[in-house]
Amino acid sequence: GQNIDQPTEMTATEGAIVQINCTYQTSGFNGLFWYQQHAGEAPTFLSYNVLDGLEEKGRFSSFLSRSKGYSYLLLKELQMKDSASYLCAVLDSNYQLIWGAGTKLIIKP
Amino acid sequence: GAVVSQHPSWVICKSGTSVKIECRSLDFQATTMFWYRQFPKQSLMLMATSNEGSKATYEQGVEKDKFLINHASLTLSTLTVTSAHPEDSSFYICSARRTEANEQYFGPGTRLTVT
Repeated sequence: GQNIDQPTEMTATEGAIVQINCTYQTSGFNGLFWYQQHAGEAPTFLSYNVLDGLEEKGRFSSFLSRSKGYSYLLLKELQMKDSASYLCAVLDSNYQLIWGAGTKLIIKP
Repeated sequence: GAVVSQHPSWVICKSGTSVKIECRSLDFQATTMFWYRQFPKQSLMLMATSNEGSKATYEQGVEKDKFLINHASLTLSTLTVTSAHPEDSSFYICSARRTEANEQYFGPGTRLTVT
């Protein structure tokens, strides 16, 4: 079966750095997405990785290792507004998005 | 670019009535649109995949006669919840995939409350 694992909840301090991991087992791979979702709102696109390596976009970076079936989202200089759920999703061989359950990130002052 | 709109953003309806939700890609063409449902504190659940000009593909457990999907053009898909019941109350979110790319963009969602 297809499976995406990410931690259910993480807590971090304002100004610090946090890494949210995602491991996946899917039938084929056409890229991995990270989305941010604030409570009561729709997800917003953060990043898309299809090749191995690190993609940096401001305070957010996303890393992918296809051989290990592993990705992480790195958030630097955390702000209170970063408190949200972070969703990892993989595009499988049929170009269907397989979703993780999301990681709820709590930022404390 | 890559903006997806949904209308309405929230709706309250009486049990037994039908509600139509529109999803539009405003500045790109989307051959494929997706409809999701999300209950409080739960993950997104894919309901159906909609391809322009063809019938939608529904996920297991989703009643196609209850959730009618029409993808009439490359920029518009609609979801109609027929004979709504209180258990249909949820957050409905659409997303659109750009024709030439793998990226998927979400609409802002529609909160449906059935009384």
